[in-house]
Amino acid sequence: KAGVTQTPRYLIKTRGQQVTLSCSPISGHRSVSWYQQTPGQGLQFLFEYFSETQRNKGNFPGRFSGRQFSNSRSEMNVSTLELGDSALYLCASSLAGPGTDTQYFGPGTRLTVL
Amino acid sequence: QQQVKQSPQSLIVQKGGISIINCAYENTAFDYFPWYQQFPGKGPALLIAIRPDVSEKKEGRFTISFNKSAKQFSLHIMDSQPGDSATYFCAASSPSNTGKLIFGQGTTLQVKP
Repeated sequence: KAGVTQTPRYLIKTRGQQVTLSCSPISGHRSVSWYQQTPGQGLQFLFEYFSETQRNKGNFPGRFSGRQFSNSRSEMNVSTLELGDSALYLCASSLAGPGTDTQYFGPGTRLTVL
Repeated sequence: QQQVKQSPQSLIVQKGGISIINCAYENTAFDYFPWYQQFPGKGPALLIAIRPDVSEKKEGRFTISFNKSAKQFSLHIMDSQPGDSATYFCAASSPSNTGKLIFGQGTTLQVKP
């Protein structure tokens, strides 16, 4: 089975721009979660989507948004980029059934904001 | 109350030694505790996970010890190898938030040959 894939792998943007990151979950997985990883703050939960609905949200400003499509693929969008948004953005997928909490991570998208 | 505290921040172990990383949590609603291993340039990979109904789980050289009353859990890496050199994260989630992992700050492990 193919793992979680994320595109693009690397991205360079300038302040004020917006960016869209894409995540394809493992086949059959219905939940997609997004995390931001930085050296200072570690791994922080952004949001989780299940059946095209946001089920959980972390403590990030409204500039961070996401969506999930009917095939479980997910995108996250960051508008009005700030220097502090430079990070590794990770997506993880899981089956999301009872007792199936295990999340499998993709390789991440490295976003650099100049 | 949502935090997971991990220690030490970094660890150096000789090849063949035992690496021990500890985590503590406050939220008694947490019921799933995974450990992830991350190499530079890669996403975290699940190593082993435990639920509070057992006190220990072993998979190969990796063992999780869980102390529910103390709200602590730890990862033991037996016979540590240079290939184990990576960053390790503990995490936790609750039944009402299964898609939301709360991570510890990470431990950078270096295994010297």
